[in-house]
Amino acid sequence: DTGVSQDPRHKITKRGQNVTFRCDPISEHNRLYWYRQTLGQGPEFLTYFQNEAQLEKSRLLSDRFSAERPKGSFSTLEIQRTEQGDSAMYLCASSLSRRRNQPQHFGDGTRLSIL
Amino acid sequence: AQKITQTQPGMFVQEKEAVTLDCTYDTSDPSYGLFWYKQPSSGEMIFLIYQGSYDQQNATEGRYSLNFQKARKSANLVISASQLGDSAMYFCAMREGYRGNQGGKLIFGQGTELSVKP
Repeated sequence: DTGVSQDPRHKITKRGQNVTFRCDPISEHNRLYWYRQTLGQGPEFLTYFQNEAQLEKSRLLSDRFSAERPKGSFSTLEIQRTEQGDSAMYLCASSLSRRRNQPQHFGDGTRLSIL
Repeated sequence: AQKITQTQPGMFVQEKEAVTLDCTYDTSDPSYGLFWYKQPSSGEMIFLIYQGSYDQQNATEGRYSLNFQKARKSANLVISASQLGDSAMYFCAMREGYRGNQGGKLIFGQGTELSVKP
C-alpha cells in the first residue's frame, strides 16, 4: 500500500495560466475524490469518480475546472485561466468501496499559488 | 442541509492529559457516517476514527474514542494521554448515505487546532 500520490506538491503560476494536477490513488481503490482547502478552513468537495465515471460535481466546480480519470486509475484536475481565488490546497482522496465504514485516504495535496 | 460544526478554533492540553474536541452535525438522512481526521502542519490528512449512525457502541481506536450522542447530533473526539505529536488540526467530517450515484463525499467542519504543552 503506497498511499495516494499527488503531483506536483507546489505550483506557482501567473493569473490567467492553465494548470494541471495529477493524483494516483491507492491501486485497488475504485473511488477517487477531489477537494479544495483554503487557509484556516476544512476541505470542500469538488468532484468524485467511481472507476472512470465522474458521478458528482460540486457547484464550486466552475466551467474553468475539469477533471478526468481516463482508465479508472490516475486522475487529473485542470484549471483554465486561473484566478487569484483559485489559490488553495487541492487534495485528492481515494476509497475502496461503497461500504459506510471505509475511510477516504488522502494524498499530501498540491498547493497552488496564483501570482 | 448537511452541516458540520466545530466550535473550538483552538484548544490547549497538557501532555499526558485527556482532551475532548467537539463536533455537532446536522442531517436529515438516517444513514450517515462520521469521521475524524488529523492534519499536521505538513498538510496530510490522517484518518483517525469512524462512527456509523447505526452503530450501537462508541468507536474506539487506541488512544482515540468517539463520544457519540445521536439524539444531540454530536460526535466528540476524545484523545487520552495526549502526546506532543498530537499537536495538529483536527477535522470532523460527515458522509451521508449512498443514494444511486450520489453520496460518498465528505462534508468537513472548520477544524480545531490542538496544541499539546510539555
